Amino acid sequence: DQQVKQNSPSLSVQEGRISILNCDYTNSMFDYFLWYKKYPAEGPTFLISISSIKDKNEDGRFTVFLNKSAKHLSLHIVPSQPGDSAVYFCAARANNDMRFGAGTRLTVKP
Amino acid sequence: NAGVTQTPKFQVLKTGQSMTLQCAQDMNHEYMSWYRQDPGMGLRLIHYSVGAGITDQGEVPNGYNVSRSTTEDFPLRLLSAAPSQTSVYFCASRRSGTGGNIQYFGAGTRLSVL
Repeated sequence: DQQVKQNSPSLSVQEGRISILNCDYTNSMFDYFLWYKKYPAEGPTFLISISSIKDKNEDGRFTVFLNKSAKHLSLHIVPSQPGDSAVYFCAARANNDMRFGAGTRLTVKP
Repeated sequence: NAGVTQTPKFQVLKTGQSMTLQCAQDMNHEYMSWYRQDPGMGLRLIHYSVGAGITDQGEVPNGYNVSRSTTEDFPLRLLSAAPSQTSVYFCASRRSGTGGNIQYFGAGTRLSVL
């Protein structure tokens, strides 16, 4: 059962515009959420995270929003840059169990 | 500044062969884990360890064995490889406890089973 879902396999945006990546989860025991970025032939790298007691966390151009009632989180990238082109994974943790979504491939066009 | 190191980077096996994927970390992290990445499936947890001598199963453990004799190393063993185990494997580590939410990943091992 996929407890973390990223329903958009791909997203294409123009440089300078906003990128919004979405993630839904089903397990209410998840208490910490993370976004990872992955380039080809590399391992995922941590991007930004949010605790379940918060609804927003911001780090430079990246902001993560959490809507617990809807079991939904999103990653906003503003402004988007060509170097942001990568696969983005949403992850959710409950104790020692961390589940990942299938990923969204973001392409930022110059 | 090594972080998490995985070897080999690529491997081709025949069905029924055995092999061990190596993983080492130099951050003194208590928690280590193995994931496999398949198209459309994201990263799925195979096995994890919360410290030396302690291992547990994840989401997809069948066909894989692990052991944790030291804090630094967490090898993943395939005893009899099957084509369904063709995948990209990632090892990760993090600190334990509430401050250890961020996992650090190795570069991956791309495995093909023919």
